[in-house]
Amino acid sequence: DIQMTQSPSTLSASVGDRVTITCRASQSVYSWLAWYQQKPGKAPKLLIQKASSLDSGVPSRFSGSGSGTEFTLTISSLQPDDFATYYCQQYNSYSPTFGQGTKVEIK
Amino acid sequence: QVQLQESGPGLVKPSQTLSLTCTVSGASISTGSYYWSWIRQPAGKGLEWMGRIYTSGSTNYNPSLKSRVTVSLDTSKNQFSLKLSSVTAADTAVYYCARGTSNGYSLGYYFDYWGQGTLVTVSS
Repeated sequence: DIQMTQSPSTLSASVGDRVTITCRASQSVYSWLAWYQQKPGKAPKLLIQKASSLDSGVPSRFSGSGSGTEFTLTISSLQPDDFATYYCQQYNSYSPTFGQGTKVEIK
Repeated sequence: QVQLQESGPGLVKPSQTLSLTCTVSGASISTGSYYWSWIRQPAGKGLEWMGRIYTSGSTNYNPSLKSRVTVSLDTSKNQFSLKLSSVTAADTAVYYCARGTSNGYSLGYYFDYWGQGTLVTVSS
């Protein structure tokens, strides 16, 4: 299995901050990486696929970058609705795997 | 708009088989190139992909669960199902069904539509 490691595990930030979350893969996944946002008690919501393609309706303050083994999710100006847990997921194998998650908390 | 809805018992006894169904609306599970999947999440923990069935009926399972998990299609009801045998307390989790979509050249797929999730507790 391809292992996905996110950092940090928890991030404290304020409204308006620029936030960056990193996801590293144990081997190259090319650009086959997705990002999700999950709020308590809710299903994950797709934000980005193919490393940098924003899903329909996702605000432009979200962006993704990277390829190979290192990827980042950036929120350019954190909004109150963005406090949540974020997961990366690789899909360069027949068994998709997720990172352990990064919780974005209010500072 | 594609919608998925999980259903099934919320309580299962240890050693028994967990059975869940996902009803899909807004799309046909027998057409297109989609990977109808099950994903679970223990309380306070991360996401684990369990297995999937393709629109053709082919299946693929997480190697860590392969001997215990079965995913099947019921095209007449536009549903797909999960069976997990020999459950223990470690299988207590929220179970999600989701639609997997590929980019065409990727080996795998990302999940663009999810059900709301259903909590299954394994306890006697």
